[in-house]
Amino acid sequence: DVKVTQSSRYLVKRTGEKVFLECVQDMDHENMFWYRQDPGLGLRLIYFSYDVKMKEKGDIPEGYSVSREKKERFSLILESASTNQTSMYLCASRQNSGGYTFGSGTRLTVV
Amino acid sequence: QKEVEQDPGPLSVPEGAIVSLNCTYSNSAFQYFMWYRQYSRKGPELLMYTYSSGNKEDGRFTAQVDKSSKYISLFIRDSQPSDSATYLCAMSARGNNDMRFGAGTRLTVKP
Repeated sequence: DVKVTQSSRYLVKRTGEKVFLECVQDMDHENMFWYRQDPGLGLRLIYFSYDVKMKEKGDIPEGYSVSREKKERFSLILESASTNQTSMYLCASRQNSGGYTFGSGTRLTVV
Repeated sequence: QKEVEQDPGPLSVPEGAIVSLNCTYSNSAFQYFMWYRQYSRKGPELLMYTYSSGNKEDGRFTAQVDKSSKYISLFIRDSQPSDSATYLCAMSARGNNDMRFGAGTRLTVKP
């Protein structure tokens, strides 16, 4: 089975901190994604990457950046965390067709 | 209007009931349709994947797509307490990195 591993399950950060969320997949998938999930809003795409060092903005990229230096690793960076970035963050990967495989999520609280 | 509409519920049924979960959508270009199941504090997992219109069955689960009505359904037969989860519909036009998710329906199956 494909495994997508997110480094932290729960994080609490202070406003203004720089936050790194890490995601690693073990099946050599080309495509990786970062979503945030909020009640009533569903999953919203922040950024995705279809290859090493390649990235594309999703629907809500403001306040976020990403890094993909290796195929298996996709990092989400909050440059200066704000309280409205409190959310569940989900990483996913996908081969060139088919559904996504998600990680277990990181619940981030910004205080 | 959201591209994908899904009633958030919550939906509560007795064990053994037939469950019907639905989504409507507005983009007629969607042709790949998925259902994900998300247990509490976990990431979504792919349950069903269908292309274009028609039915697909997998054990107790049946996915239906009616493109003329822009309406998709997931039926769960003989529902079990272990089916208690949030169910997310998702759809894509090109089958690659343009997935759109519903907000999810929370289902509880009572013993």
